[in-house]
Amino acid sequence: DSGVTQTPKHLITATGQRVTLRCSPRSGDLSVYWYQQSLDQGLQFLIQYYNGEERAKGNILERFSAQQFPDLHSELNLSSLELGDSALYFCASSVEVVLGPSEAFFGQGTRLTVV
Amino acid sequence: DQQVKQNSPSLSVQEGRISILNCDYTNSMFDYFLWYKKYPAEGPTFLISISSIKDKNEDGRFTVFLNKSAKHLSLHIVPSQPGDSAVYFCAASYYGGSQGNLIFGKGTKLSVKP
Repeated sequence: DSGVTQTPKHLITATGQRVTLRCSPRSGDLSVYWYQQSLDQGLQFLIQYYNGEERAKGNILERFSAQQFPDLHSELNLSSLELGDSALYFCASSVEVVLGPSEAFFGQGTRLTVV
Repeated sequence: DQQVKQNSPSLSVQEGRISILNCDYTNSMFDYFLWYKKYPAEGPTFLISISSIKDKNEDGRFTVFLNKSAKHLSLHIVPSQPGDSAVYFCAASYYGGSQGNLIFGKGTKLSVKP
């Protein structure tokens, strides 16, 4: 158990809909990252939040947005869903170290299926 | 353009032998590298890392080698065990500034046969 909790584990929704994925980081971790893993693809970095503020942005679509709340949990919002958005979405958290990165700990993921 | 490449989608090894997983990167700014292991229906778990000031890091049966001039790293597992069967992801990152943004390869599926 990595200590990172993601809900729900599975989600099936129709095209055009909007969903929210939730992530609770490990206790004490200030950074939260979101990744997308599509079929036969590696993990694609979407976005990072650090202590409530957006820190880095990757290949995140405009239809997607995220936020980190004062209690440090994070939500990833996906709207106007398309079939191609079907993927595994992982959340990870880490303790940021000033002089260098640290290992990120991943949740079990949310499998999103858009039909 | 893929900055981190794992060119072998799969690898099959006999139990007890050495498993060598390879990873190439193109961005010379990367200076911290990690390997993650992923079982089906689970999130990736951190395995071992290496910074660019080293060329080797060892942890039990796992050793990561870094060749900066070739922009190549490899993970050696000796001896390989059936429980090592999983997908292995190579990842790279930067020190300082906008840290924590890990760039992952597509993974190599390792099968260790008894």
